[in-house]
Amino acid sequence: DAKTTQPTSMDCAEGRAANLPCNHSTISGNEYVYWYRQIHSQGPQYIIHGLKNNETNEMASLIITEDRKSSTLILPHATLRDTAVYYCIVPGGTSYGKLTFGQGTILTVHP
Amino acid sequence: SAVISQKPSRDICQRGTSLTIQCQVDSQVTMMFWYRQQPGQSLTLIATANQGSEATYESGFVIDKFPISRPNLTFSTLTVSNMSPEDSSIYLCSEGPYGYTFGSGTRLTVV
Repeated sequence: DAKTTQPTSMDCAEGRAANLPCNHSTISGNEYVYWYRQIHSQGPQYIIHGLKNNETNEMASLIITEDRKSSTLILPHATLRDTAVYYCIVPGGTSYGKLTFGQGTILTVHP
Repeated sequence: SAVISQKPSRDICQRGTSLTIQCQVDSQVTMMFWYRQQPGQSLTLIATANQGSEATYESGFVIDKFPISRPNLTFSTLTVSNMSPEDSSIYLCSEGPYGYTFGSGTRLTVV
């Protein structure tokens, strides 16, 4: 798996956009970037994934830089329920189908 | 997306005993995985549950301690054997590839 680097923690005001960065400078050309989150005491939740084009779904947007060495997960209007640990993962190589979780970013959304 | 029912949700067990955790998926899935989340830590992959054959274990995990079954494409069990307090963790299953859905987790406390 390509190694990812995320800030340990971030804060965001409720109603504002939360922008969570991830560095994956060793990513290979055919490796996807996946984002998950884990709300306290729950199982991880898939958010979004992408290869090189920007992606958007009902939960979030994923912006991947042109060189694919970094990406940003955007929660457009953060709510208190978005407080969670967010994981950026780049599975690949011989790790087909498997996820290697790092420490992630603790996002705290405050009123 | 698939829905996974995991049980039990929590248990308190005596050291030296074993606990079997079950995951039932509401549709056939290609892959199933088992993870452990120790207190305050991220998720660590234990093994890939293979349908009709022995599970594939990650480094540091062995079949004698964590026997896994997957009799069909919708069901898998993980047994935590000969438990000690160090086995106190949350155990989670997911479907794959790439874990779009996780079980809600089993919170195990060994006393």
